[in-house]
Amino acid sequence: DTAVSQTPKYLVTQMGNDKSIKCEQNLGHDTMYWYKQDSKKFLKIMFSYNNKELIINETVPNRFSPKSPDKAHLNLHINSLELGDSAVYFCASSSASSGNTIYFGEGSWLTVV
Amino acid sequence: DQQVKQNSPSLSVQEGRISILNCDYTNSMFDYFLWYKKYPAEGPTFLISISSIKDKNEDGRFTVFLNKSAKHLSLHIVPSQPGDSAVYFCAARKSNTGKLIFGQGTTLQVKP
Repeated sequence: DTAVSQTPKYLVTQMGNDKSIKCEQNLGHDTMYWYKQDSKKFLKIMFSYNNKELIINETVPNRFSPKSPDKAHLNLHINSLELGDSAVYFCASSSASSGNTIYFGEGSWLTVV
Repeated sequence: DQQVKQNSPSLSVQEGRISILNCDYTNSMFDYFLWYKKYPAEGPTFLISISSIKDKNEDGRFTVFLNKSAKHLSLHIVPSQPGDSAVYFCAARKSNTGKLIFGQGTTLQVKP
């Protein structure tokens, strides 16, 4: 009964490839996020969607493209992967009814070789 | 420009004692603060939060204190248990942005 689930959990891929990470939440939340935890362990927001609309877009290379087919899903597609993209990517969700507390998925460990 | 800082990368405490994790912030526009706990290979899980209009919030063994004048908050865990061993992240939010700014985390080890 995972509230925020993301797949795959582990992904090893070569430079230059295109890959996607999928995220789904069953909490009924209207806002979803992608966060990145880099090698220095900082957690930083990348994108936020509210009811399928992009509301936060931090300074992220345009090789990263989020897609929200509905408010329960927010997928992350990455083109032309680079070594520096290796990180842990966390999907999250929140809503006003949850006091805007953000709930995270388990993370997707991406390694680019 | 790190707006939320956890200056202690690690903390070791004996079981049964109090654990105090600290967090400093620089942006006076933050109106909501949260603590998350993270085990290895898992996502951060929400622990406790506090609004900027309060100076204390308690939930069982966990208490968060906020000192707005010092731009400082702390998480107290008492009594500490071995299962509390994890990385603790402090986070802050500005109401008009909806995004969380995280500190770099403090690894807590509670020894039996």
